[in-house]
Amino acid sequence: DSGVTQTPKHLITATGQRVTLRCSPRSGDLSVYWYQQSLDQGLQFLIQYYNGEERAKGNILERFSAQQFPDLHSELNLSSLELGDSALYFCASSESGTGFAGDPEAFFGQGTRLTVV
Amino acid sequence: GQQLNQSPQSMFIQEGEDVSMNCTSSSIFNTWLWYKQDPGEGPVLLIALYKAGELTSNGRLTAQFGITRKDSFLNISASIPSDVGIYFCAGQLSGNQFYFGTGTSLTVIP
Repeated sequence: DSGVTQTPKHLITATGQRVTLRCSPRSGDLSVYWYQQSLDQGLQFLIQYYNGEERAKGNILERFSAQQFPDLHSELNLSSLELGDSALYFCASSESGTGFAGDPEAFFGQGTRLTVV
Repeated sequence: GQQLNQSPQSMFIQEGEDVSMNCTSSSIFNTWLWYKQDPGEGPVLLIALYKAGELTSNGRLTAQFGITRKDSFLNISASIPSDVGIYFCAGQLSGNQFYFGTGTSLTVIP
């Protein structure tokens, strides 16, 4: 158990809908990273937050947005969903967040598997 | 985006065999990492390398940071069934940007 909690584990939704994925980082970790993992693309960095502020942006679509709340949990919002958005979405957290788009000290959650039908 | 070429894409080996995989890029990296991902789980860090030429072991796993800083290698000795999974390399550039490789899927046949 990495200490990073992601909910829900599985999500099935229809095209055009909007969903929210939630991540609770490890206790004491200030930085949260979101990744998308699809079969053909591997792990793609989406966005990073550090202590409530956006720190780095990767290949995140305009239909997607994220935020980190005062209690440090983070949410990834995906809207106007398309079939191609079906993927595993991972959150990782680290204490310092000195890296951009990733951190050797980061721990990954178990992911949320999103299926768009 | 940055391209990390990881090979092979997949491997099917007999239990007890040794495994080698590598990751290459056209860019120079400051850090190389190797992760393992089990089905239904997130990636778990296996080994982190911070210096060119560095050779680091973690049990039966050994990884090396290439001298050119453009590649890294992971070896698994005497494979066992629980080694099954997807192995990812990741590299960190000088601007602290991280990139992940496309993964090597390992199947160990008992």
